[in-house]
Amino acid sequence: QVQLQESGPGLVKPSETLSLTCIVSGGSVSTGSYYWSWIRQPPGKGLEWIGYIYYSGSTNYNPSLKSRVTISEVTSKNQFSLKLSSVTAADTAVYYCARGALSGSAHGSFDYWGQGTLVTVSS
Amino acid sequence: DIQMTQSPSSLSASVGDRVTITCRASQSISSYLNWYQQKPGKAPKLLIYAASSLQSGVPSRFGGSGSGTDFTLTISSLQPEDFATYYCQQSYSVPWTFGQGTKVEIK
Repeated sequence: QVQLQESGPGLVKPSETLSLTCIVSGGSVSTGSYYWSWIRQPPGKGLEWIGYIYYSGSTNYNPSLKSRVTISEVTSKNQFSLKLSSVTAADTAVYYCARGALSGSAHGSFDYWGQGTLVTVSS
Repeated sequence: DIQMTQSPSSLSASVGDRVTITCRASQSISSYLNWYQQKPGKAPKLLIYAASSLQSGVPSRFGGSGSGTDFTLTISSLQPEDFATYYCQQSYSVPWTFGQGTKVEIK
């Protein structure tokens, strides 16, 4: 059974960098079978895809966040991480990590999600 | 970016009702359309992928249809545990985008 678990600070100051880690169990981040993604949801609002990493560290980011986002793999620990720089109050959201299908008809669908972690940007 | 528009934004229904939610894409996305259910305080759950394929473990009362730009999620007989918010998502092209959500409430 695949499980994902987000970890990181729940409070970040404006202009600083938000850093989160997703710990994956029951599956390997290093295999070329899935997109390992970050998705966020501001309180009371809808879902926004942030980006993904897959297969030997290849990444793709939402253009709306691309200049501030880095997603990387921690191979030895079967984890992947999110860094979002220069945060503002608009970045306050629940951040989810999720597994997306890489190929076939299910391409891009997210079948496993972490429980989510609320990150508040405030001084 | 491909814009996804769901309708209605919310609806009230009774247990046993047939419920239909629509999702329209701003351009053709073939069948790269997925549906999720989200309950308060929980992560979304994949219900339907590729417009009409039922995710493993999802009850058969959930069904999806459509292709191109217009898609539908149908719940054939609404159950108490189905009261939630439903999102569509296109995976045709990056950036993957979601609809704004449809909240299904108890009548």
